[in-house]
Amino acid sequence: KAGVTQTPRYLIKTRGQQVTLSCSPISGHRSVSWYQQTPGQGLQFLFEYFSETQRNKGNFPGRFSGRQFSNSRSEMNVSTLELGDSALYLCASSSGTSRYNEQFFGPGTRLTVL
Amino acid sequence: AQSVTQLDSHVSVSEGTPVLLRCNYSSSYSPSLFWYVQHPNKGLQLLLKYTSAATLVKGINGFEAEFKKSETSFHLTKPSAHMSDAAEYFCVVSPNFGNEKLTFGTGTRLTIIP
Repeated sequence: KAGVTQTPRYLIKTRGQQVTLSCSPISGHRSVSWYQQTPGQGLQFLFEYFSETQRNKGNFPGRFSGRQFSNSRSEMNVSTLELGDSALYLCASSSGTSRYNEQFFGPGTRLTVL
Repeated sequence: AQSVTQLDSHVSVSEGTPVLLRCNYSSSYSPSLFWYVQHPNKGLQLLLKYTSAATLVKGINGFEAEFKKSETSFHLTKPSAHMSDAAEYFCVVSPNFGNEKLTFGTGTRLTIIP
């Protein structure tokens, strides 16, 4: 089975721009979660989508949004970028049917905001 | 509410000696607990998970962890460290109701001394 893929792997943007990141989960997985990883804040949960519906949300401003398509692929959008949005954005997929489900992580998208 | 505390931000051990990475958790309910590893510029990989079936959990690459409810701990151990174990390790707690929100510890960087 192919693993979780994220595109692009690296991205450089300037303040005020917006960005869209993409995540393709493992085939058959219906849950996709997004995380932000920074040296200062560590790994923080952004949101989780299950069957095209947002099922859970972290404590991030409304500039951070996401969606999930019928094929379970997910996109994350950040509008009006700020310097502090520079981070590694990780996507994880699971079957989403149990709290014991393992989450499989992608390699991440490294976003740099100048 | 739930939280997880990794007691050491950095651990150094010599190759061939035991590894101990400490994790304490707090949860209103009986939690699920995980250990993930992240090698440089890679996503996270699951090492092992506690799902209430057995308190001593064996994972990949010779790692194991023991769930101690009385001490609210879930420490990760390995009898003999290998150079390839050098990485960042995250202790993670998940609530016991149906969503997939994970709470990550701040991570422990493991350095192996040749």
